[in-house]
This record gives sequence, C-alpha cells and structure tokens, in this order.
Amino acid sequence: DTEVTQTPKHLVMGMTNKKSLKCEQHMGHRAMYWYKQKAKKPPELMFVYSYEKLSINESVPSRFSPECPNSSLLNLHLHALQPEDSALYLCASSQDRRTGVGEQFFGPGTRLTVL
Amino acid sequence: AQTVTQSQPEMSVQEAETVTLSCTYDTSESNYYLFWYKQPPSRQMILVIRQEAYKQQNATENRFSVNFQKAAKSFSLKISDSQLGDTAMYFCAFMPASGTYKYIFGTGTRLKVLA
Repeated sequence: DTEVTQTPKHLVMGMTNKKSLKCEQHMGHRAMYWYKQKAKKPPELMFVYSYEKLSINESVPSRFSPECPNSSLLNLHLHALQPEDSALYLCASSQDRRTGVGEQFFGPGTRLTVL
Repeated sequence: AQTVTQSQPEMSVQEAETVTLSCTYDTSESNYYLFWYKQPPSRQMILVIRQEAYKQQNATENRFSVNFQKAAKSFSLKISDSQLGDTAMYFCAFMPASGTYKYIFGTGTRLKVLA
C-alpha cells in the first residue's frame, strides 16, 4: 500500500467552528507532515512529526493543533480559523531519515473554506 | 540558506513533443537530494523522479529524465513524448541528505500539453 489518504475531501466551516482533518498511511513511515497550499503556490510546511513526536512547528498559529495518535494516523484540529486560512491542506509521509532517503508521499488534500 | 528557482512560470508543448523544465538551486551542502513532483489539476502531488547528489548518473523514469549538473547547481526535467495527462504543475524540491526533514520547493512551472 503506497497511499496516503485524507478525509474529508472538502470542508466548509465558520470562524467559530471546531473541526478536524484526518490523514492516514500504512506504508510504515515514521515521519508525517502537514502542509498548507494556496492556489498556484508550492506547499508551505506547517508541522512535522517523527516517531509520533512533534519535531517541527513552523510558527503556525495556535488555532491549528496537530496530533499524532499513532504511527499511521495524523490529525489537524482546527478552531477559530480566519478566512485567510482557506486553502488546500496536504498531508505527507516519509521514511525516517535514518532508514531511507525520506522522500515524501502526499495525500490528495482537504480543500478548506472558512466563511 | 538553500533556495530553489524555477524560472518558467508557464510552458506549453504539443502532444508527442519533448519539453524541458528548468530548476536551479543554491546550497552549501555537499550531499543532498533533488526531486520533481507533479500536481495535476486533480491536485494530488506525485513524485516523478529523484536524484541523489552523490550519483553522477542522471535519473530516468520512463518518459521522464533529468539533466543534473552539480557544479552548475542545475536540475532540469525532460519529458519525452508528452501526453495530455502530463498537464500539471511541476515543482522542483531540494532536501539536505542529513538533518532536517524540510523540503525547499521552487515556485512551480505550470505545463500544458496541447492536443
């Protein structure tokens, strides 16, 4: 299985809502990533988890809260978002750098619209 | 700091023709990896090809090949026998061989294959 899955595909939320994005992989990868991507732009890294521990937080506002419950699952909890947070949110996974190159495999993304 | 530059925001090519997308980068690292990713309009980022800096031989994957010039810090992607399904945004990415999990992405080249 060489797939990263993300749910939901689309999400519309108000600025006072709380919602979560989910990402799953069964490739045995021990590093997982959240990216934000605006139209026609490259992905911007938000968070990196390595062995279920947060290893990189790119100074992301606290209204985004990541969680890695186990080695296959990555969540992104959303609360009190702003309209400018509307974007495509991509999840990726990779081998740990100690055991492999670490090229990243991306999921299809969640299209988020904040009203 | 590393940088990646894709100087062609948009390109087009006739079906069955060959096209070359350019990517240059700047780094003081001696060992690193370079990648080309494809993101079709359906949005999932797919790894097209990978090049290890310590390997002199250019990587190839079916119709996709790279011209890696380490001294010039250049990493271009050649697509042979272009197909309509090659229409996508193409991102070049750099990653050091050790340490950080972070990719440095270029700004992307939007390629349109014309029938």
